[in-house]
Amino acid sequence: DAKTTQPTSMDCAEGRAANLPCNHSTISGNEYVYWYRQIHSQGPQYIIHGLKNNETNEMASLIITEDRKSSTLILPHATLRDTAVYYCIVRSHYGGSQGNLIFGKGTKLSVKP
Amino acid sequence: ETGVTQSPTHLIKTRGQQVTLRCSSQSGHNTVSWYQQALGQGPQFIFQYYREEENGRGNFPPRFSGLQFPNYSSELNVNALELDDSALYLCASSRVGGAGEKLFFGSGTQLSVL
Repeated sequence: DAKTTQPTSMDCAEGRAANLPCNHSTISGNEYVYWYRQIHSQGPQYIIHGLKNNETNEMASLIITEDRKSSTLILPHATLRDTAVYYCIVRSHYGGSQGNLIFGKGTKLSVKP
Repeated sequence: ETGVTQSPTHLIKTRGQQVTLRCSSQSGHNTVSWYQQALGQGPQFIFQYYREEENGRGNFPPRFSGLQFPNYSSELNVNALELDDSALYLCASSRVGGAGEKLFFGSGTQLSVL
């Protein structure tokens, strides 16, 4: 699976949009971009994933560049409860070990009042 | 609430001992994977079980072993504990097949080895 690069930390004001970038320049054609987050003392939580089109769900939006070398996770109206470490992961849906996610260190997002 | 439960939540062991951690998967899920998360690091994949057989393993020694039961519950066993085994151990369940295989994680077991 391809490696990803994320900023170590980011701050966001409560109520504003949080935009979390991720670089995945070596992503291959069959690899998806996944985002998980981990709130303190909990296990990681799935947020969203996509292949090449932009995606939106009740939690967030995922914008993937046309060349697929980078993406941005958008939390449209951040709340204090969104304070967490956000992980960007790229993985294929094919082959074995579907449960094998390669986590980096992620981005520590701090939402401030 | 993911429907994945782990026990115990906290555990203290001594170097050289053996430990068993337990996980109950979400209903309908047929795959379970285990992760180790050291302080300040992202989770690291230990292994995955599908249909009661190990079908993927990360860079962990054989003293880390597991079991998956017909009801899709699972165990992680660690023998000859070392100080560096102190970490949060996470279990995740998923259903193989179809696009968008999301993992659902439990809250983990915090293991301290003294």
